[in-house]
Amino acid sequence: KQEVTQIPAALSVPEGENLVLNCSFTDSAIYNLQWFRQDPGKGLTSLLLIQSSQREQTSGRLNASLDKSSGRSTLYIAASQPGDSATYLCAVSDYSGGYQKVTFGTGTKLQVIP
Amino acid sequence: DAGVTQSPTHLIKTRGQQVTLRCSPKSGHDTVSWYQQALGQGPQFIFQYYEEEERQRGNFPDRFSGHQFPNYSSELNVNALLLGDSALYLCASSLARSNSISYGYTFGSGTRLTVV
Repeated sequence: KQEVTQIPAALSVPEGENLVLNCSFTDSAIYNLQWFRQDPGKGLTSLLLIQSSQREQTSGRLNASLDKSSGRSTLYIAASQPGDSATYLCAVSDYSGGYQKVTFGTGTKLQVIP
Repeated sequence: DAGVTQSPTHLIKTRGQQVTLRCSPKSGHDTVSWYQQALGQGPQFIFQYYEEEERQRGNFPDRFSGHQFPNYSSELNVNALLLGDSALYLCASSLARSNSISYGYTFGSGTRLTVV
């Protein structure tokens, strides 16, 4: 059974700081890994999707890396801004019973202080 | 290009009642998955529908049931509501072809269900 862990559970940083969020998963036979952002009481917004054959993906100030063999992914946020404050969720896609299944971590709650 | 649409956005029900939540997938997607997200937790997988059939199910009781229509839209039904069913219910759509690269999941904004 796939298990996804995110560390830290919460993080508070001053504006402008670079930061790294961590995600680890127990079964390395994944299909892809997706990072989401969730604002309080809202749905999920996809940030980056990394296929199992890829090492990293970049979008603006965000960079996500994937090391499938070690079961780890990191989300790097450069020059953090107060608007980046949200919960960041890591989701791993693999095959369960012959079908694609997505398992989420519990998230990292980020607060960027002006 | 419309994303995933969920309705209603908020709902208050009394314990023991039944509720139906609705989801329209992103255009071009054919698979719908439902998740329950309790406060402060990550989303938990309820079930997935493809070709109008439930093809995967998480660890949820039979009180949770669903349906997928020919236009790929889906409903989540919960019977005999409990206080613990209060959560954000998220619908995700995707494109599922056994030999293609997945483009990931697209999520709706969710339905906030409160059971009193």
